[in-house]
Formats: sequence, structure tokens, C-alpha cells
Amino acid sequence: GAVVSQHPSWVICKSGTSVKIECRSLDFQATTMFWYRQFPKQSLMLMATSNEGSKATYEQGVEKDKFLINHASLTLSTLTVTSAHPEDSSFYICSAVRLKETQYFGPGTRLLVL
Amino acid sequence: AQSVTQLGSHVSVSEGALVLLRCNYSSSVPPYLFWYVQYPNQGLQLLLKYTSAATLVKGINGFEAEFKKSETSFHLTKPSAHMSDAAEYFCAVSANTDKLIFGTGTRLQVFP
Repeated sequence: GAVVSQHPSWVICKSGTSVKIECRSLDFQATTMFWYRQFPKQSLMLMATSNEGSKATYEQGVEKDKFLINHASLTLSTLTVTSAHPEDSSFYICSAVRLKETQYFGPGTRLLVL
Repeated sequence: AQSVTQLGSHVSVSEGALVLLRCNYSSSVPPYLFWYVQYPNQGLQLLLKYTSAATLVKGINGFEAEFKKSETSFHLTKPSAHMSDAAEYFCAVSANTDKLIFGTGTRLQVFP
């Protein structure tokens, strides 16, 4: 149990385009999901907290207009990187909260912006 | 505020040897503590968690961790390392919220 999926696993796009990443909790409902960014050989950096039915809460320094988050249902949150640029290239990981304070992570999405 | 310190960014052990990955935390309230493992190009997998029940927590793949309040530590151990244990390990803390604060990670290498 507690499986979280992400789609796509890999995406390559041209600079200036937008990319949508989906995060799904497959066997449980999650009112709260998180989005992280991870640079090579570094820890996870929390970008935002996604709450079902309400606006996402962004961490300091994260541009909310750049990284649009939508939590439309109890099993789906999406992260859209708008007008992507090469510096947005990174590994994006989502997580979903199942039990109290326990996050289950997706497999990650590697974004490369050319 | 909460924080986590993982001592040693790299740990190398021989196959069959004891694995010890260190984690110290700081928390103004009773913490929840977690260990996650990350294999290359993958997300994080929960190894174990401490939520104020038993201080010795057993997890998956033979790992366990002991919560020591007096030392503010939550070190991860495994009696006998296996080649498949080679990965990045993250310690994390949360307190009264679902938000996790991660340590910087420890890369475990296992030599035959």
C-alpha cells in the first residue's frame, strides 16, 4: 500500500514552453501533497504544499506564477512549470501524506529544458 | 524550529559489516523522525519512522533506528550490509505538521 506515481518520468522540452507533471496517490486519498526539487547530489528542497480544494502554499523564494500547483482531487496534484528555462532543469519529486505526518514519495520526474 | 544534521556525507563499509548512519535532530516539540532511502534516479522510500512509541524502531530491509532523547539522535543501523544497500539515505524530522525537514543525506557505499 501507499503507492505514489508520477507522470512523466522524463521530459525534455524547449525553452519557453510549459510542462505539466502529475502526481497520483494510487491506493489512498491524500488531502496534502508536497512538491520537491532535487539538484544532483543534494537533498530535497521543498517547493510547495498542495492541499486538496485550496491554494497551494509556496516556500520562500519559490515563484508561484512559475510553478503552478493544482490539487484537483484527493488523489491527484499537478505541477506546471510555466515558460520553462534551462535553469528549471531538475529532478522533481512529489509526496503524498497518508498516515499522520508520514509522506510517501513518487518516483520523480526528470525535466530537461533545452 | 526543527533541523536535522547527518554526520558524514559518505560512508563506506564492506559487505557483511555493520552499517551505522548518524542523524541528530533539533526540535522544540516532541519530534516525529524518519529515515528514507533513495536509489539513483528514483524517489524516496520510507525505511522506518519514530512517532513517540517504542524508542527502538525496526524498518524494512533489516534496518533499525534508536531514538535517544538525551542525545537528540536517531541513528540508523543494520547488522550486516548487503551490496543492494548502496544508496543515498536521508534522515528527516517533522513536528506537529506534515512538513518534513530533511538532512543533507549520506551516501552509503558497500564494497565486496
